Amino acid sequence: GNSVTQMEGPVTLSEEAFLTINCTYTATGYPSLFWYVQYPGEGLQLLLKATKADDKGSNKGFEATYRKETTSFHLEKGSVQVSDSAVYFCALNRREGGSEKLVFGKGMKLTVNP
Amino acid sequence: DAGVTQSPTHLIKTRGQHVTLRCSPISGHKSVSWYQQVLGQGPQFIFQYYEKEERGRGNFPDRFSARQFPNYSSELNVNALLLGDSALYLCASSSTGTGGLNQPQHFGDGTRLSIL
Repeated sequence: GNSVTQMEGPVTLSEEAFLTINCTYTATGYPSLFWYVQYPGEGLQLLLKATKADDKGSNKGFEATYRKETTSFHLEKGSVQVSDSAVYFCALNRREGGSEKLVFGKGMKLTVNP
Repeated sequence: DAGVTQSPTHLIKTRGQHVTLRCSPISGHKSVSWYQQVLGQGPQFIFQYYEKEERGRGNFPDRFSARQFPNYSSELNVNALLLGDSALYLCASSSTGTGGLNQPQHFGDGTRLSIL
């Protein structure tokens, strides 16, 4: 089946530290891959996406590259800020018949201290 | 432009009761999907509706039902509530039913449902 596995959290970093959040997936075909972010008390916001192998998604200093050979989509940021504190979800889209749904990982809570 | 709006923001119910959650999609969006997010987990797909028809259903019991109205707003109904139904219920809209590659899903802030 289709699934997403993320590294366990929570993670606490100091401001300006380097961030990597690992994400691997299992899927039939070639899904699109996404990173969503959830700030406290809010819904999910799309952070970045990649639609095919070797695509790099980027936004707000975050980057992730679609690696088909390793079935991975790791999220990276060179210098985190306090405002990046949130829960990060890796997801893939799954098409079944006429529907489309997102399959999410469990999420990883990031706390950035000043 | 207004984003996806959900109501109510919080709700407390007791076991066995019924609940209705509401969602208004982004203007022009015809697809609405519902997800359940249990504390500490990622969202789980419940339903997708497009042009007022059910397009997909996740692995949830028949106690869960939904519908979409002519103005593309949607309701999620849950009957005979159980303690395990306590969760954040998220609504997402997109402009097409299967166009996720370039028409990503936009999420509302959710309804926090607590079952006592």
